[in-house]
Formats: sequence, C-alpha cells, structure tokens
Amino acid sequence: GAGVSQTPSNKVTEKGKYVELRCDPISGHTALYWYRQSLGQGPEFLIYFQGTGAADDSGLPNDRFFAVRPEGSVSTLKIQRTERGDSAVYLCASSLTPGWGQGGTGELFFGEGSRLTVL
Amino acid sequence: SQKIEQNSEALNIQEGKTATLTCNYTNYSPAYLQWYRQDPGRGPVFLLLIRENEKEKRKERLKVTFDTTLKQSLFHITASQPADSATYLCALSSGTYKYIFGTGTRLKVLA
Repeated sequence: GAGVSQTPSNKVTEKGKYVELRCDPISGHTALYWYRQSLGQGPEFLIYFQGTGAADDSGLPNDRFFAVRPEGSVSTLKIQRTERGDSAVYLCASSLTPGWGQGGTGELFFGEGSRLTVL
Repeated sequence: SQKIEQNSEALNIQEGKTATLTCNYTNYSPAYLQWYRQDPGRGPVFLLLIRENEKEKRKERLKVTFDTTLKQSLFHITASQPADSATYLCALSSGTYKYIFGTGTRLKVLA
C-alpha cells in the first residue's frame, strides 16, 4: 500500500489477555518505530527498528511488551498479561534512513494507529 | 530530565488571523525540530523541519522559528482557516533516530 498500515484499528480485550498489534510500513523504509499515545498526550517512544534488529527498545515500559520485525518489513508489537493502564493508541511510523542526510527532513510517516482498550 | 512543553490549553482564534503555537524544551539540545499535525483519530502528519542552525523556515502559510538560546520554537499559521483546526505537535531529535514529542496544542479556527 501507499502508506503505513496498522491492524487492528480497534482492539478490546480483558485484563490478563495477550494482544498482538501489526504494522506494515511503507515499502523501502528501513526504519520502523512504535509509539504509544494516551488521551491528551503526545506520542511516547517505545522502540525503534533499523532493519530486522531492535536498535533501541528503551521505551518499552516493562517485560510484558515485546516487538519483532523478523524480515525487516512487517512488525508486530506483543503485549502479555495486559493491564488497564496499557489502554492507549499504539502508533507505528516508518522512515527512510538516514533521514537527515542530503537535505532530508527525517519525516516520520505514521499509520492511523491501533486503539487498545483493556477492560 | 528532558521536558518538552506545548500550550496545554486549546487555542481558539478567528478565521483570517495568525495562529502562534509554542514549543519549549529543557535539558535537551536538539539538532532538529519538526512540527506535525494530528487530526482526531488519525496519525500525525509531518509539516516542517527546522535545523538548529536555521532561524526560520517557511512553507506556504506556515512559518517556524527556532531559538536555541531561548530553547523555544514558534509555529505560525497565517490567514488561518477552519480547516487548520487540529492538534499540532513538535518533535525534537538530537540528531539520532530518536524523536521526542511534545504534548501537542489543540487549535480551533472559528469561522
């Protein structure tokens, strides 16, 4: 597709359940990010992939959160034993790397997000 | 700790006026500062980039300034229109891949 695609767009789950959120970035974008956005807040950095490897996972709140990008394209964010505090919109973004060189803008292309509600 | 602040209250202005939004930061030395627009239920959309060695950048009705002494960026929309109503986010990077976002300011342009 032309843009970043995220599925599901909405997910309602019960406390303690396991959840997977999928992101399909723009073709050719080697950098992929996951952010979390709570109501009235800006996006909060979770993890950054350069190719297949997680270059920076310092934003993952705890070990219940894990993300993979096995072939350097599609990424899955996995949340185990969900808690009510995990409720938020999970945003995925991709970009060209390096984004700053040769007059680049470092622009992040965001998907529409996956809204997670934990009851 | 690093902190990025944007007007927490919504900004209401009359159509045709200039909207000015602020982004202040502390304990940070960004090399790049971006502005994004976010509509309800949508992901942020990139608008402009300004580098630390640039004082001002323009794009159509948009103007961004970057004052590294004051640790502040101002974002202006001239001749504002109701279609400009959205939340505007600033995002800072020290030059690496990592972008830190502000809380966003909600702008409403009244017809």
